[in-house]
Amino acid sequence: LAKTTQPISMDSYEGQEVNITCSHNNIATNDYITWYQQFPSQGPRFIIQGYKTKVTNEVASLFIPADRKSSTLSLPRVSLSDTAVYYCLVVLPMAGNMLTFGGGTRLMVKP
Amino acid sequence: EPEVTQTPSHQVTQMGQEVILRCVPISNHLYFYWYRQILGQKVEFLVSFYNNEISEKSEIFDDQFSVERPDGSNFTLKIRSTKLEDSAMYFCASRDIDIRGMNTEAFFGQGTRLTVV
Repeated sequence: LAKTTQPISMDSYEGQEVNITCSHNNIATNDYITWYQQFPSQGPRFIIQGYKTKVTNEVASLFIPADRKSSTLSLPRVSLSDTAVYYCLVVLPMAGNMLTFGGGTRLMVKP
Repeated sequence: EPEVTQTPSHQVTQMGQEVILRCVPISNHLYFYWYRQILGQKVEFLVSFYNNEISEKSEIFDDQFSVERPDGSNFTLKIRSTKLEDSAMYFCASRDIDIRGMNTEAFFGQGTRLTVV
């Protein structure tokens, strides 16, 4: 299983763009990069997934360089409600493989 | 929006008792999971279930634990002879099958907070 490394915590202010970078040096060819968000006392929630280059949805963007050894989750114009833990996962999506969560990045958005 | 539902939201049990945590996955999903999260720690995988059998399980999922899909909708986690260290949030999740093998989105329930006293 590819191990991921991401900052333990980050602080930001409302309205700023937040970029959380994750390292996954031993990612395999068929692995996808997935990000989840977790609020206190709630289950994780899927944000975005990607394989390479850039993916954007209504919530975030995911940037993946050509070597795929890292990825960056970008949250545009964060608000207080974006305060949460963000997990970067490397997943082999086929056959319903389990998700392995690391420690995540605790994002604190301040007013 | 479809969602995974878990009951109860909070369960308090005495050490040594058996508990059953219940989950209703999203109806057309075929992969089911149980995870747990001890307070302040990371989300840990327990077991995955597909086609009415366990497909993967972690070291945590020992003989104390069992899972069952007793009917077409429920998915249960049974913990026998609970210990103090079993106190945690237990999350159920489900995933859709993806023939192209590209889907990594799992839907998690709100969790059951288990407190063993």
